[in-house]
This record gives sequence, C-alpha cells and structure tokens, in this order.
Amino acid sequence: NAGVTQTPKFQVLKTGQSMTLQCAQDMNHNSMYWYRQDPGMGLRLIYYSASEGTTDKGEVPNGYNVSRLNKREFSLRLESAAPSQTSVYFCASSSPEGAAGELFFGEGSRLTVL
Amino acid sequence: GIQVEQSPPDLILQEGANSTLRCNFSDSVNNLQWFHQNPWGQLINLFYIPSGTKQNGRLSATTVATERYSLLYISSSQTTDSGVYFCAVGAFRNTGKLIFGQGTTLQVKP
Repeated sequence: NAGVTQTPKFQVLKTGQSMTLQCAQDMNHNSMYWYRQDPGMGLRLIYYSASEGTTDKGEVPNGYNVSRLNKREFSLRLESAAPSQTSVYFCASSSPEGAAGELFFGEGSRLTVL
Repeated sequence: GIQVEQSPPDLILQEGANSTLRCNFSDSVNNLQWFHQNPWGQLINLFYIPSGTKQNGRLSATTVATERYSLLYISSSQTTDSGVYFCAVGAFRNTGKLIFGQGTTLQVKP
C-alpha cells in the first residue's frame, strides 16, 4: 500500500524558475493538503482541498497555486520561485469517514531555490 | 485563527524515563492529532484524539477539550522515541484545516 506519494523528492531551482510538485494518494481520501516545513518550525498549511473540485487557502498561500486534478491527485505549483520558498514540502491526505480525519503524510519534497 | 502552543520546546531524557508533552489551543476544536517526526523527517500519526484518552503501547494521550489542552505521555522512553512531536488541531473536522504547533524536540540518551 503506497499511501501518499510525492514527486520529486529533491529539486534545486534558480530564482524565477517554475515547477510543480505532484502528490497522489491511493487511500480514497476526500481531503488533501500541502504543508511546508522550515528549519526549527512546525508545519504551515499552504493550501488544502476538502474534496475533489474544491481548494482553499491555508496560512501561507502567497506564491503558490494548486490543482486538485481528481480525487487521487493534488499538485502544488510555484510559478516564479524565490529563495524564501526554500523548504521541505509535505503532502497529506485524510478522510472524514472511517478513521475520521486522521492525517497521513507523504515523505516530503526538499526544494532549494538559489 | 486557532493558536497552538506546545511545551516544552526541547526535552532531553535518559532512556527509561517518562515524559509529558503538552499542547494548548485557543479555540474549540473538533480535530486534534499528535505526530512524531523521526530524525529522517518522516511524519507518523500517533493519535487522533479530539477528546478523551487513548493508549498505544508506551504512548498515551489525553485531550480535555473543554479546557483546551492535550497531553502526550511517553513511558519508559527509548532512543527510537527521539525526534519532534507535533500537535495539530482543527476547528471543524470537515474543512480539514489543521494547524500545527511548533513542536517539542525530544532527545533520548542511552
């Protein structure tokens, strides 16, 4: 059971370049999330999607866009990367049914913007 | 929005010791979870506990929602318990907007 899969795991960008982080889950979860984690800090919510076709801003959405492509996939796009976006990005999913809201994380994507 | 505060920020224990980690939050919640981030960065869900008490082996958690805090107990700590422990809360479970605390960094020495 793969759970939550993120790609790529590592990426180095130059300032101004664009890229998309991909996330897919195979647990049939309704909700998906993107968080970023900076050194010595907790996780901050960038965007989330409560269900297919809906997205909403989290705590730090500026500089990012998201797409909930279908129930399985939720992508995060940086249109013009900045050094302040150097971080580790985590995708997560959860379902309000069954185990009721438990959050499951991918392994993270480490992004460096030069 | 909801504020989440965890204490202590850092904790060093000898193997075999017990510890209590605290999570305070500023508003009523319908969702509260504890996570462990191991030294390799992997985030593991420990408990989903918006209220009440749960136990899983040497770990247990209690949430007193009316008083807006949750406690994570680690008994007979082992070196593999080292890492960062996060509390995350959500005001409305269905919206899924979970906000994390800053974490407690635990180091267990052999």
